Amino acid sequence: DAGVTQSPTHLIKTRGQQVTLRCSPKSGHDTVSWYQQALGQGPQFIFQYYEEEERQRGNFPDRFSGHQFPNYSSELNVNALLLGDSALYLCASSQAGHNSYEQYFGPGTRLTVT
Amino acid sequence: AQSVAQPEDQVNVAEGNPLTVKCTYSVSGNPYLFWYVQYPNRGLQFLLKYITGDNLVKGSYGFEAEFNKSQTSFHLKKPSALVSDSALYFCAVRTDTGGFKTIFGAGTRLFVKA
Repeated sequence: DAGVTQSPTHLIKTRGQQVTLRCSPKSGHDTVSWYQQALGQGPQFIFQYYEEEERQRGNFPDRFSGHQFPNYSSELNVNALLLGDSALYLCASSQAGHNSYEQYFGPGTRLTVT
Repeated sequence: AQSVAQPEDQVNVAEGNPLTVKCTYSVSGNPYLFWYVQYPNRGLQFLLKYITGDNLVKGSYGFEAEFNKSQTSFHLKKPSALVSDSALYFCAVRTDTGGFKTIFGAGTRLFVKA
């Protein structure tokens, strides 16, 4: 049973560029959440997708957008990259409904903006 | 606003000794509390959760945590630490009124010396 997978593992971009990160949830999970973890900090909630719609959003600008596909996989897009966007981006999946509180995290994508 | 505090950046303990990693929270509504562990260059791994019921919850790898409503705390404990427990530990909270957003603490680094 595959867990949560994310791609790519590492990414280097230049300020002003755009980036797309990808996530495949754990088998049987239908909900995907994205988090940003800056160096030395805890993960910060970006948004959550369920039934192909953004269900809730954290305090992130509109430069951060996402998508969920019919197979429950998800993408995180960041436009007009800033140096401050450098972080580990984590995807977490869960199952809506009963016992949906427990999240399973992927290994993350390390984004470096230069 | 919801918040989680982990007052110790680092905890040092000798192998075989008991360990405690502290967490306090501030929420409106009933809290759902979690502990996650992060090993270097890895995503977060779920340890345990408190949703309702018995205040003492047991989780993976011999860890346990006690929910204390009056002190708004959810400290992580283990009777006998192992060197392999050395990692970064995160406390997190959701509420029944806060939607699906999970708030994480800044993390506590645990060092277990042989």
